[in-house]
Amino acid sequence: QVTLKESGPALVKPTQTLTLTCTFSGFSLSSSGMRVSWIRQPPGKALEWLARIDWDDDKFYSTSLKTRLTISKDTSENQVVLTMTNMDPVDTATYYCARTHLNRWFDPWGQGTLVTVSS
Amino acid sequence: QSALTQPASVSGSLGQSITISCTGTSSDVGDYSYVSWYQQHAGKAPKLLIYDVSNRPSGVSDRFSGSKSGNTASLTISGLQAEDEADYYCSSYTGSTTYVFGTGTKVTVL
Repeated sequence: QVTLKESGPALVKPTQTLTLTCTFSGFSLSSSGMRVSWIRQPPGKALEWLARIDWDDDKFYSTSLKTRLTISKDTSENQVVLTMTNMDPVDTATYYCARTHLNRWFDPWGQGTLVTVSS
Repeated sequence: QSALTQPASVSGSLGQSITISCTGTSSDVGDYSYVSWYQQHAGKAPKLLIYDVSNRPSGVSDRFSGSKSGNTASLTISGLQAEDEADYYCSSYTGSTTYVFGTGTKVTVL
């Protein structure tokens, strides 16, 4: 059974850097074809894809956010880490990680973690 | 990359069928058969319903079906049930290894 779970701070201040961790089980990110994405959802709004990391350490980012995002993996710990710099109140959202299948769909998703940006 | 366009809300009576549209461009929905659909109940994480336009994962009811024509993909829910009341999102691969989601549709069961 594949599961993912996000963790990180619930509150960050404007201009700070956010670091989120996705801890997963049921698959290995060192296995060929495995991929994990980060996706966020502001309260009451739509989903937005942020970044993806692949088994071969290829990394891909949202065009509009790429200057602020870094994705990395710790294969031995079954974790994927996302950092987002220069946080702003508009970045307040629930952040999800999800396994990405064949470069085409997201399943399953973690439960999400709500991050509020406020001074 | 602009979000795919979905109707803000769709409603139907128990047992009826409804269809949710998802309109993109020739750079995403129109160019790839990589459209997926997700169901999100209030306060919950999204759940995959359909992948690659019309394929259902194991465990998803066959009341859910997907299709695509040109730049528009569609999700049909037949035999509407109370538990189908949720938000629904489409997603498409856009090339350049990025993805775009739809604006979301709230389904109300009357």
